[in-house]
Amino acid sequence: DAKTTQPPSMDCAEGRAANLPCNHSTISGNEYVYWYRQIHSQGPQYIIHGLKNNETNEMASLIITEDRKSSTLILPHATLRDTAVYYCIVRVAAMDSSYKLIFGSGTRLLVRP
Amino acid sequence: GAVVSQHPSRVICKSGTSVKIECRSLDFQATTMFWYRQFPKQSLMLMATSNEGSKATYEQGVEKDKFLINHASLTLSTLTVTSAHPEDSSFYICSARDGRGGTEAFFGQGTRLTVV
Repeated sequence: DAKTTQPPSMDCAEGRAANLPCNHSTISGNEYVYWYRQIHSQGPQYIIHGLKNNETNEMASLIITEDRKSSTLILPHATLRDTAVYYCIVRVAAMDSSYKLIFGSGTRLLVRP
Repeated sequence: GAVVSQHPSRVICKSGTSVKIECRSLDFQATTMFWYRQFPKQSLMLMATSNEGSKATYEQGVEKDKFLINHASLTLSTLTVTSAHPEDSSFYICSARDGRGGTEAFFGQGTRLTVV
């Protein structure tokens, strides 16, 4: 699976958009980009995933560059409860269960009041 | 989203004893479950992949005789830490994927193991 690079920490003001970048320059054509977050002492929570097109759901938006070498997770209106470690993960698309999610170091996002 | 439940959430055991952690998928069948370990202020480290009805696949450096994994049904996988020592104290997290073709993995709430 491709390796990802994320800044170790970021902060943003409550109510503002949080833009979390991720570099995955060695990504292959069939590898998806996944985002999870982990609030202290809890299991990771799925946020969103995408392959080529930008994606949006009730939690966030995912913007993937045209060359797919980087992506940005956008939390449109960050709240204090969004303070967490955010993980960007690349995995191979498969219909069976033969993939693995390998976590990098993630970005620690602090939302300030 | 789908629910994955771990039990217990916290456990304290004496050095030399064994501890079993359960991971259940509550509303879907999980043909594959994953076990992770996380030390304080570190990221999750994949320990093994558990496939229903077959032997688990362990990551390099993980002792299969120390961390016994059983995946006897489509909704339950167990991790047994045998002869636990203080260095095994960690946060253990399981993950499961819907066998019907869902793409995202769902995580349990984790088990905090403390070996004294």
